[in-house]
This record gives sequence, C-alpha cells and structure tokens, in this order.
Amino acid sequence: EDQVTQSPEALRLQEGESSSLNCSYTVSGLRGLFWYRQDPGKGPEFLFTLYSAGEEKEKERLKATLTKKESFLHITAPKPEDSATYLCAVQRNRDDKIIFGKGTRLHILP
Amino acid sequence: GAVVSQHPSRVICKSGTSVKIECRSLDFQATTMFWYRQFPKKSLMLMATSNEGSKATYEQGVEKDKFLINHASLTLSTLTVTSAHPEDSSFYICSARDVGSTDTQYFGPGTRLTVL
Repeated sequence: EDQVTQSPEALRLQEGESSSLNCSYTVSGLRGLFWYRQDPGKGPEFLFTLYSAGEEKEKERLKATLTKKESFLHITAPKPEDSATYLCAVQRNRDDKIIFGKGTRLHILP
Repeated sequence: GAVVSQHPSRVICKSGTSVKIECRSLDFQATTMFWYRQFPKKSLMLMATSNEGSKATYEQGVEKDKFLINHASLTLSTLTVTSAHPEDSSFYICSARDVGSTDTQYFGPGTRLTVL
C-alpha cells in the first residue's frame, strides 16, 4: 500500500536552531515528491517538487533533499515566521493522485 | 506564481440547504482540479478529481449525489454540497494542476463550511 509518513509530528525549536523534518514514503512508481507549508485556516502553499533521488532544492532557509526512500526538509536558522505545518506528498506514476502525509507542526520560539 | 482562488472563504448555512464553492485558477489553465476535505489537525483527504468537460472521479466513500462537482472551463471548478448536514461541516480545499509547466498542484485558500 502506498504510504507517506512524516516525523516528528511536532517540533519546537528556538529561533536560530537548525533542524530537519523527515518524510518516508512507500510508493509503487514515484512521479514526484512535494513539500507544502500550511498555516492555520489556510490552504497549503507550494514549496518544492523533487523528482529523482539525489535532487536538492533550496528556498531561503529551507532545503529539500530526496533519496529513494525518504525526503528531508532542512531548515537553517529558523525564524518565528517559519512556524507552520509542513506537509509532504507523493504523486504516483499511474495516476494524478497525491498522497499526503499527516504533516509536521513546527513551532519556532523567539 | 500560480494562484488559485476559492469563494467563499467562509459560509454558514442551515441544515438541509445547499452550498456552492467556487475554485478558480487565476493565471494558468488547469485541465484537472482536485477537491479535498480537511478535519482539524488532520491531513488533507482527497474527495474527487475533476477534469474539464467530463465527469468527476470520486474517491471511495464519497457520495457523488451529495458532493456535486462541475468543471465547466479550464479555470473554474465548483463543488456543491447538497442538503448539507452538521457532519458536512469542514474545511474544503481545492487545488489545480498546472500542466503547462509541471505537475505541481497549487492550492486555494480553503473554504470553512459550518452547517447549523
């Protein structure tokens, strides 16, 4: 069964304290892996798409990496405004569906 | 960047009435749009996939007659919750796939539905 598991469920960091969020996936034929940020009461905001193992993408304090089994979202020197839920999702080769993980709630303390 | 809008952002209705939610891709064409439902502190649950000019494909367990989806143009899809009941109260989010450049889905801001 195709599955996406994110860890940890929640993470509290001090401002400036770097860390990584994990997304492990099991899918028969990966078409793409997506990272989104979601603020409370809002729709997910697109961050990155990764297509193949070894690929990396960066945006400001965020960097996403991909292996054959998992993806990491590294956050460097986070600020309070980085507080949000980060969602990982995979798209399968055989259809258009995206399977979401349950997300990691990130809270950055000033 | 790709922008998707939803209207209304919040709606409160009485039990038994119908509510229509609009989803628009503002700066790109979307042959495929998706409708999701999200419960508090839970992830997104796909309800249906909407293709322009054809019938929507519903996920298992989602009632087709209750959640009517119309995708009449390349920039507009609508979700109508018919005969709404309190258990239909939820956060509904649409997304649109920009096939012009990548397969990325861009999400709307969501609609909070409260059925009294």
